[in-house]
Amino acid sequence: DADVTQTPRNRITKTGKRIMLECSQTKGHDRMYWYRQDPGLGLRLIYYSFDVKDINKGEISDGYSVSRQAQAKFSLSLESAIPNQTALYFCATSDSRTGGSYEQYFGPGTRLTVT
Amino acid sequence: EDQVTQSPEALRLQEGESSSLNCSYTVSGLRGLFWYRQDPGKGPEFLFTLYSAGEEKEKERLKATLTKKESFLHITAPKPEDSATYLCADINDYKLSFGAGTTVTVRA
Repeated sequence: DADVTQTPRNRITKTGKRIMLECSQTKGHDRMYWYRQDPGLGLRLIYYSFDVKDINKGEISDGYSVSRQAQAKFSLSLESAIPNQTALYFCATSDSRTGGSYEQYFGPGTRLTVT
Repeated sequence: EDQVTQSPEALRLQEGESSSLNCSYTVSGLRGLFWYRQDPGKGPEFLFTLYSAGEEKEKERLKATLTKKESFLHITAPKPEDSATYLCADINDYKLSFGAGTTVTVRA
């Protein structure tokens, strides 16, 4: 079974709709992240959470919100989707207890299309 | 501002033709330089972390090296299954900053 799962894997929605992307992990990691990936731009950080009560904006948080429901669950919401939010979205996790190593482990991604 | 730049954007190799990918970074006080492999439609898969200049790590046909300003990913005698996009990232304030990636295609 995958350690980091994302649902849905593919989603097509219309402009103005609210949509939620979900991420769960069984790695026992305390830190979780949401990224989006666009061709030629690489991965860009949307939001990150170092624990359930610690949520922070990344470099491109406008138009997005998040919820950390439990240590293992981190959801990303688009309040009112717009076409330029069409992208691949990835959730990632890392473990702060690994003594200075900062590797992040990624889920399989959600392909979101906003028409 | 921290910047991570990868070159070339794309690399087409014949099977067995060794080559290198470059990743340059600007962050001062580097805490780690990361390499990931990404297959189409999948999430990035962690390969290596390098922490200090002069460090090297190997995995099968891949070897990553680090200097004070850049890192190289050497692919020795590649096979078609090494075709993927290779991403590098540095870490700043506990957050990874990614380059745009190098897409490697290995032809049989």
